[in-house]
Amino acid sequence: SQQGEEDPQALSIQEGENATMNCSYKTSINNLQWYRQNSGRGLVHLILIRSNEREKHSGRLRVTLDTSKKSSSLLITASRAADTASYFCATVRYGNNRLAFGKGNQVVVIP
Amino acid sequence: KAGVTQTPRYLIKTRGQQVTLSCSPISGHRSVSWYQQTPGQGLQFLFEYFSETQRNKGNFPGRFSGRQFSNSRSEMNVSTLELGDSALYLCASSSEQGRSEKLFFGSGTQLSVL
Repeated sequence: SQQGEEDPQALSIQEGENATMNCSYKTSINNLQWYRQNSGRGLVHLILIRSNEREKHSGRLRVTLDTSKKSSSLLITASRAADTASYFCATVRYGNNRLAFGKGNQVVVIP
Repeated sequence: KAGVTQTPRYLIKTRGQQVTLSCSPISGHRSVSWYQQTPGQGLQFLFEYFSETQRNKGNFPGRFSGRQFSNSRSEMNVSTLELGDSALYLCASSSEQGRSEKLFFGSGTQLSVL
């Protein structure tokens, strides 16, 4: 079953602005990952945060994880037109190898 | 290093036919997972193979099957196609099974069932 649920589902911003997406999940997790997908192509792994971590950075990406609220957020700073894509969170539960993906956030960055 | 390769890129079939999709993982990766992506259901896990053995299976009917070869290449087969099987089928590979770390995805096979 799908576990991650992102909010908001569609976001349109100007180039240079920040974009924030949220993801909530229902059960205890081992780790949470964010992926990007461009126009129906394959997904590209962005960042992984483990259940014992609270914040992680990678370039212009910042991910937070709040296990008490069962939620995560992805922040893209200083957005670029090339950041236009769909962003998915995926959770991995303990003892279960599969990734459960959310529905995805569509982000459009206007040049 | 070459990425995950999926063939064919596009496929058009009619109801009742069967289809086989192919996936070549990144060299050295032994785990291959398959996902179905549709606008309505999103990304749904089909199955995972590691060292030629199916390790994990999603909630799909028996019409969906797969296998993995000794060189880690994988195929998935869908028999008696239905209209609802129209989707983007994504294959992903990773270096180790059982740890669910970073997945590397192929570009997918877009299947249209008419």
